[in-house]
Amino acid sequence: QLQLVESGGGVVQPGRSLRLSCAASGFTFRAYPQHWVRQAPGRGLEWVASLSFDASNTYYADSVKGRFTISRDNSWNTLYLHMNSLRLEDTAVYYCAREGLAAHLHSFDMWGQGTMVTVSS
Amino acid sequence: DIQMTQSPSTLSASVGDRVTITCRASQSVNNWLAWYQQKRGKAPKLLIYKVSNLESGVPSRFSGSGSGTEFTLTISSLQPDDFATYYCQQYNGDWTFGQGTKVEIK
Repeated sequence: QLQLVESGGGVVQPGRSLRLSCAASGFTFRAYPQHWVRQAPGRGLEWVASLSFDASNTYYADSVKGRFTISRDNSWNTLYLHMNSLRLEDTAVYYCAREGLAAHLHSFDMWGQGTMVTVSS
Repeated sequence: DIQMTQSPSTLSASVGDRVTITCRASQSVNNWLAWYQQKRGKAPKLLIYKVSNLESGVPSRFSGSGSGTEFTLTISSLQPDDFATYYCQQYNGDWTFGQGTKVEIK
């Protein structure tokens, strides 16, 4: 079954760390670039981070650069987001998204259901 | 960074109406422009990729057009299932979404 399943969200205090996971199944995970996209409560979508298919290239939004790290384990078909120095404004639903190939390049053709991260004291 | 501005922010329409949403980029996005539909509490769903290509399984009443910095998503005849929020998204070195357009029942 073609799917992405996020986990690892929860409530965390400002300044603490959290690691999100995204388990992929039903497709050749190692062939696709992967992303994290977030959505604060009642707000729009914000791209967070990107990782190439072979983990050789990473890109980050300015809002998380230096604090978040995206990584992947192609042996376990899993994408990660390591979040350090969390801030109140990082509170959001975090989605794992697959970037398409060929004509679908640079668009997100598959999404997980999302995992909620709440940063609160 | 490229900014994406959608208009309108909210749109009230009736079933059967033709609906057009506009997305303007602060600079050219070289046709790497996609549209998504998001329903409350759900993940976004890809509708259109590379300006005008309909994603598999998406009804043909959805269409996309435009070039350079101005793009449109059109729903030719609005159906009850189409009441949702729509986002444009560009790529030109990084990825940016528009702020969203909520299509609500008139």
